[in-house]
Amino acid sequence: AQSVAQPEDQVNVAEGNPLTVKCTYSVSGNPYLFWYVQYPNRGLQFLLKYITGDNLVKGSYGFEAEFNKSQTSFHLKKPSALVSDSALYFCAVREYNTNAGKSTFGDGTTLTVKP
Amino acid sequence: GAGVSQSPRYKVAKRGQDVALRCDPISGHVSLFWYQQALGQGPEFLTYFQNEAQLDKSGLPSDRFFAERPEGSVSTLKIQRTQQEDSAVYLCASSLVIDGGYTFGSGTRLTVV
Repeated sequence: AQSVAQPEDQVNVAEGNPLTVKCTYSVSGNPYLFWYVQYPNRGLQFLLKYITGDNLVKGSYGFEAEFNKSQTSFHLKKPSALVSDSALYFCAVREYNTNAGKSTFGDGTTLTVKP
Repeated sequence: GAGVSQSPRYKVAKRGQDVALRCDPISGHVSLFWYQQALGQGPEFLTYFQNEAQLDKSGLPSDRFFAERPEGSVSTLKIQRTQQEDSAVYLCASSLVIDGGYTFGSGTRLTVV
């Protein structure tokens, strides 16, 4: 079985400050890990993924995420937040090397960046 | 096309009615997925196709739910004898490769009254 936890329903940061959105996961084997963003009245958009290799993954819009195997975490980060980053963020996990294709999503974290 | 297209955007069905939701993925995307998203929750997996083959349907909640992708492109999710608990946003996504990020459609919001 695979699962994802996003422990914070809401994250508030001031514009220009660094932001972190937390994600922990559980999977039987090695994980594929993903972050998606959902802006109001728009569909989910892919931000970045970790498959293998470097633990620090860079993605769209200046976001990055750090894979930590020992802590089973994949936190999303950005050095300097923008008001336009305000959105709903979802972490997802899929087990590596299966053909099942199923990704499990967290329940999302609402990020609010205040000017 | 440029993105994943879903139709209709909104569907209101009377309890007991059958509905069909359509997904037109990005041309050339081998993998196609259906997810169900309830209000305030993350998407929940329903089923997965690789080309025309349905490789995983473990998330379909009951035998009232059926999905097909007969020619490996357009997919249809059919719900028979709709119930109130079927009310949700149904999301379709496609990806070029199995380990790629998904491209999601805008979803179909189904309301069963």
